[in-house]
Amino acid sequence: RKEVEQDPGPFNVPEGATVAFNCTYSNSASQSFFWYRQDCRKEPKLLMSVYSSGNEDGRFTAQLNRASQYISLLIRDSKLSDSATYLCVASASGGSYIPTFGRGTSLIVHP
Amino acid sequence: GAVVSQHPSRVICKSGTSVKIECRSLDFQATTMFWYRQFPKQSLMLMATSNEGSKATYEQGVEKDKFLINHASLTLSTLTVTSAHPEDSSFYICSASSRTNYGYTFGSGTRLTVV
Repeated sequence: RKEVEQDPGPFNVPEGATVAFNCTYSNSASQSFFWYRQDCRKEPKLLMSVYSSGNEDGRFTAQLNRASQYISLLIRDSKLSDSATYLCVASASGGSYIPTFGRGTSLIVHP
Repeated sequence: GAVVSQHPSRVICKSGTSVKIECRSLDFQATTMFWYRQFPKQSLMLMATSNEGSKATYEQGVEKDKFLINHASLTLSTLTVTSAHPEDSSFYICSASSRTNYGYTFGSGTRLTVV
């Protein structure tokens, strides 16, 4: 299976900063994309789906660029509670839309 | 929203014993269940994919006789680690998808320690 690649970081930013993560995927058949958040020693939780037209949820904006095969996540006005690992997911139709996870990007927001 | 209940959350067992991990979808039918393993500071590694009522499909390098997966109903899937060894110590997580839910719902994970 082809991969999903992310910069592992860590991204170390002050509170209030804007930070952006990119993720590239190599399987051009990928059809669904997500960002998950994983806190230390916990399970991943869905942060947001990524739509072709881009989507925004509060301080979070996700975008998809199919031509260049990457997705991005922008976090505005970072909070201490945003500190976590952010996982990029791409899934391609294979009967079960098997998801492929990136390694995750670590974000540390400091006071 | 969709919830997947995973048990146990933590288990310590002796080398050579078997451990069963259960994942139940509480309010939806999990047509597909994915089982992952995650080592510290590593990404989620897909172990196998199972569709209800059929045999699991294992990823390359995952021993199907060691990691037994059963997905006999639309709400329950189990992973049994047979003859566990210390190198099997890891965080095991299930994830369910259905025809009606978008995205993947994760169980809370099982931290297995083999001593």
